Amino acid sequence: EIVLTQSPATLSLSPGERATLSCRASQSLSSYLAWYQQKPGQAPRLLIYDASSRATGIPARFSGSGSGTDFTLTISSLEPEDFAVYYCQQRSNWPPRYTFGQGTKLEMK
Amino acid sequence: EVQLVESGGGLVQPGGSLRLSCAASGFSFRNYWMHWVRQAPGKGLVWVSHINSDEITTYADSVKGRFTISRDNAKNTLYLQMNGLTAEDTGVYYCARDSAAPIGVGSDYWGQGTLVTVSS
Repeated sequence: EIVLTQSPATLSLSPGERATLSCRASQSLSSYLAWYQQKPGQAPRLLIYDASSRATGIPARFSGSGSGTDFTLTISSLEPEDFAVYYCQQRSNWPPRYTFGQGTKLEMK
Repeated sequence: EVQLVESGGGLVQPGGSLRLSCAASGFSFRNYWMHWVRQAPGKGLVWVSHINSDEITTYADSVKGRFTISRDNAKNTLYLQMNGLTAEDTGVYYCARDSAAPIGVGSDYWGQGTLVTVSS
């Protein structure tokens, strides 16, 4: 089973700052990686699919990069509504099986 | 408007069974891969199972042999039959539509979730 390790566990930043979240895979994923945002009491929201493609309606300040085993979600300038928990998700090629990282909590400093 | 509405959660004793449903609307359900994802209270997301448009299924190791995912395309409904439930199965269960399959990964629509509590 492919394990995803997200770092840091908690990131404390202020509005306007740049956030860089990391997701490292135990095996190469090609580009089979997605990023989600989840706020308390809400379902996850897809931000990035296939490592670097922004989902519909996602602001341009969110960007994804990486391939192989190292992936990054960058929020260029934090807005107050961006403070939430972020998860990465991978898919193995075939048969398709999926895992999530343990999450990074982005909190307001 | 795409909607996914889960139902069927509740309180069940250890060893018991429960069947979750996810009613889909606003899109061509038969053409999409679908997932079940769960979240224990205060914990992270855990992928449970997937079914593709050809009804091929895969499961997380933690539920294999106990849970069965299925779909009824005529009723636009996704199911999760859960047997042999343990306290570790407690959590909110979400259904999600996979928008990136068959080539990639990413679920663009999620239901609101249904709570399953396994306790005596």
